[in-house]
This record gives sequence, structure tokens and C-alpha cells, in this order.
Amino acid sequence: AQSVSQHNHHVILSEAASLELGCNYSYGGTVNLFWYVQYPGQHLQLLLKYFSGDPLVKGIKGFEAEFIKSKFSFNLRKPSVQWSDTAEYFCAVKTSYDKVIFGPGTSLSVIP
Amino acid sequence: DTAVSQTPKYLVTQMGNDKSIKCEQNLGHDTMYWYKQDSKKFLKIMFSYNNKELIINETVPNRFSPKSPDKAHLNLHINSLELGDSAVYFCASSQAPGENYGYTFGSGTRLTVV
Repeated sequence: AQSVSQHNHHVILSEAASLELGCNYSYGGTVNLFWYVQYPGQHLQLLLKYFSGDPLVKGIKGFEAEFIKSKFSFNLRKPSVQWSDTAEYFCAVKTSYDKVIFGPGTSLSVIP
Repeated sequence: DTAVSQTPKYLVTQMGNDKSIKCEQNLGHDTMYWYKQDSKKFLKIMFSYNNKELIINETVPNRFSPKSPDKAHLNLHINSLELGDSAVYFCASSQAPGENYGYTFGSGTRLTVV
């Protein structure tokens, strides 16, 4: 069955530290990949997406992600986090016809 | 203007009751969805409609019944509510199924069954 896993359940960082959140998926075919962010008490918002082309994708708020097909991975990175990045981060994969599967989420806490 | 709006934002009800959650999008999108987010923040798709037609119906108890009167609306009706139905329910929309677009999510409805 198709699935999405995220390496860390909860990450705690100090401001200005670098961030990398891991995401792996299980599906052998063509995939579309997403990262969503959910700020406390809010709805999910799209951070970035990958469909084809350059495997290094840049999103909003200084986030980027790299698709490595051979590793079935789509890790999210940010060189320097801010307190306002405290949120839940979800990796998602779209495989078959319009079915998007979300990972379990990674909770990021940034300490000022 | 809110792109995807859900009502109510909070819903507290007793076991056994029937309740509805409404969702409307003003983006002109063709496809709408219902997702359930449990207490551990895990998101699971429940239903997907494209232009009023059901596309995805995951393994959801038949107490849950979506209704799409037009492509801008997708409501969720829940019969005989159970404690395990307590969760945050998110409505979302996208421009078309199978297209390379992300979802636009509503702000969620926090359902608490007591």
C-alpha cells in the first residue's frame, strides 16, 4: 500500500539553526510531492510542491525541498529558522487519480 | 474573502446525535474533499467530489454521508455520532482531479462528541 513516513515526530531548534525534515514515500510510479504547514490553530497551507523538472524546489518563506527519486525521499530544508516557523509540517504524495496521502506530520518548535 | 469556508468552526454534541458540517469554496475549483485529522494530527482523506460526482470514498463508516449540491459546496452529514468521531474535519478544494495543483484547505471544524 502507498504510504508516507516522516522521520521525526517532534523537532526542537533554536532560532537561526538550520532545519531538515525527512520524508519518504512508498510508491514505484510517478509521484507529485508536497509539503504543507499548519500553524497552531490554523488550517494547512501549501509550502511547496514538486511535479517534474528540477528536483530542488523552492517554496514560500525560505523553504526548499529536494526530490531524490532513488531514495524515494522529499526532504524539507530551511537554512535559518525563526520563531514564527513553529508549526506542524506535513509531507504529502499524490499517486493515483487525485488521491493525496499525508504523512503523520512533524511538529517543529523553535525556541527564541 | 475566504477561499474555502467551513461552518461551524466548533461543534460540541452528544453521542447519538446527527450533525452537519458545511463547506463552500469561491475559487471556481472543480474538486472538493473532506479530510479527518485525529488527535495525533494524522490526516486521512474521507471523500472527494469532482463537479458534484463522488470520486473517492475511503473506508469511512456509512454514518458519514457527503452531499454536493453544486461544485462549490460539499457538506458532510454524520449520523449517530460516536466518541471516536471527535476530530478536526478539514474541507479542501483543488482546480481539477489529476492536475498538478495543491489543495486549498478550509480552517477546519473541531468536532467534540461527549
